[in-house]
Order: sequence, then structure tokens, then C-alpha cells
Amino acid sequence: SQELEQSPQSLIVQEGKNLTINCTSSKTLYGLYWYKQKYGEGLIFLMMLQKGGEEKSHEKITAKLDEKKQQSSLHITASQPSHAGIYLCGADIGSNDYKLSFGAGTTVTVRA
Amino acid sequence: DGGITQSPKYLFRKEGQNVTLSCEQNLNHDAMYWYRQDPGQGLRLIYYSQIVNDFQKGDIAEGYSVSREKKESFPLTVTSAQKNPTAFYLCASSTGGISSGELFFGEGSRLTVL
Repeated sequence: SQELEQSPQSLIVQEGKNLTINCTSSKTLYGLYWYKQKYGEGLIFLMMLQKGGEEKSHEKITAKLDEKKQQSSLHITASQPSHAGIYLCGADIGSNDYKLSFGAGTTVTVRA
Repeated sequence: DGGITQSPKYLFRKEGQNVTLSCEQNLNHDAMYWYRQDPGQGLRLIYYSQIVNDFQKGDIAEGYSVSREKKESFPLTVTSAQKNPTAFYLCASSTGGISSGELFFGEGSRLTVL
């Protein structure tokens, strides 16, 4: 079973609409990383969250780590075609400082 | 520009052959990693190296081997013992452990076994 559960697995959104992706762990998250991937390419770092309740924003993307540090959400406002891709969460669950556990990813399609 | 270079981008192999994937970084990072990505699954850690001349097994090391003779280089060999080698392989690096900052990823290598 996955240590990190991402939902939804995929979503289709109309251009200009908002979307939210969730990443849930049964263990405490000591660090939570959001990455974006175009199919067949490498991962691009988006944001890192470490403190409970922490929220970060970059352009139209906002990520938050809940107070209990077991769930993170990624929210995109007014989606654009450039937001299409696969979003992955990676987490440090404290077992090994060199092991980042990843969710299965959420595929985002933006329709014009 | 600093970054991570993986080669080749696409590779085809016959069953029973070993193949080596290259990973080079010029970020002066101490730590390097190899991940495997399969459809519908998260990235899984194959091997990691905290520092030159040292490496550790990850979650799915069977059928793979690595070396870390130079700080910049961390090649991965997929051996004939790997039962299902067709996958997308990603190399990454970081300044230190995960708590020190994010992982930087290469563009990946897609291996197909014919």
C-alpha cells in the first residue's frame, strides 16, 4: 500500500476554473514537497512545506500543510493550459533523511 | 547552467543484457538518487548515495547496481537479474539529506526491454 495517497487520480478542468489536489499520509509529515511533471520528463520542484498550518503560494498555485501535518493540499486558481501535467507529492515521514516517499500522482488536464 | 544530465533518453535492450544509465550533475551536490517510475505508481527509490564512494540500497534495489566514484557521477546498471526492467528511470541530487532542501531531478531515461 502507498504511504502517501493522492486524490483525485486524475481530473479535467475547464480553463479559468479552480482545482484542488490532496495528499494524505497516515504518518506525520516532517516535510512535504510538491512537484510537477510533464509526461516523459523530469520533475520540477514547486514548493516545500514543513510546519503545521504552513501555506505557500507561487503565482496561481497555493499549497498548504494541515495543522496535524498529515495532509497537504495544492490549489490552482484560474487554471491555464500551462498548468496541465502530473502533480506529485513527496514526503519525508521521518524514517530516513535520504528517503522521499511519493504519491502516485494526479494527472491534470485543462480544457480550453 | 547547473543541472542534472541523464543519458540516454531512450534505450532498448534485449532480455538477458545488462544496460547502464548515466547520471551527471554539476550542482556540487553530495547526495544522489535513482528512482523508478511505473504508470499509476509513485516514484520508488532504487539506490541513493550520501557522499562519494558510498551508496545505500533503497526499496527496490534487487537487480540493480550503482557506483559513486566521482561526486558528479552516479551511474545505474540494470542487470539481467531485474525481472521487469521496462520503466522510466529518474536520477536526482540534493545538497544533503531531504531536510536540507528539495531534490533536483534529471529529465529521465526510458528503458524498454524487447
